[in-house]
Amino acid sequence: DGGITQSPKYLFRKEGQNVTLSCEQNLNHDAMYWYRQDPGQGLRLIYYSQIVNDFQKGDIAEGYSVSREKKESFPLTVTSAQKNPTAFYLCASSMNFREQFFGPGTRLTVL
Amino acid sequence: AQSVTQLGSHVSVSEGALVLLRCNYSSSVPPYLFWYVQYPNQGLQLLLKYTTGATLVKGINGFEAEFKKSETSFHLTKPSAHMSDAAEYFCAVTSNYGGATNKLIFGTGTLLAVQP
Repeated sequence: DGGITQSPKYLFRKEGQNVTLSCEQNLNHDAMYWYRQDPGQGLRLIYYSQIVNDFQKGDIAEGYSVSREKKESFPLTVTSAQKNPTAFYLCASSMNFREQFFGPGTRLTVL
Repeated sequence: AQSVTQLGSHVSVSEGALVLLRCNYSSSVPPYLFWYVQYPNQGLQLLLKYTTGATLVKGINGFEAEFKKSETSFHLTKPSAHMSDAAEYFCAVTSNYGGATNKLIFGTGTLLAVQP
């Protein structure tokens, strides 16, 4: 089955720790995205990538980093510089900027 | 700049009643419009999309939406609500379908509750 997988489903972080969220897709899509979702705020774009080894900052990139070493993978690192990381994180992919297909999400909680 | 406004962060309907979720957009170029649905603790699923052609678009689960350029609207409707329709719904817009520069802009979402 083609689709997008995210792991883990739930993640707990201590203050000052970096954590990495995984996103993998087997849809052969060129573009991949990371969004943050907070109650009442909709989806906010963190980073996006159109091709391997290239990515751009979205609207709220501070405190986050990404890499795109393979077409099918786009991991997101939440660094200690992100002061309020508790949120639901969604990964998506698309053929360039056509409709996006979403993964099931990772819920990150800071302890 | 593009933007999306979803009127009503919470909408409640009775089972069997009409569902109407409102979406207005702002775009200086022809828009491409999408509705997504999100169930609790899950990702977003595409309900329907408007790119070009017929302005009345039919999607999954009995939903449809009509693109009205004069009103800059793309409201989502369903004739008869079902309990399983309870979810959060997001409207999104882009102006360069398939292009390499523009991104999807999402509204803040409307939470639909269906009462028995």
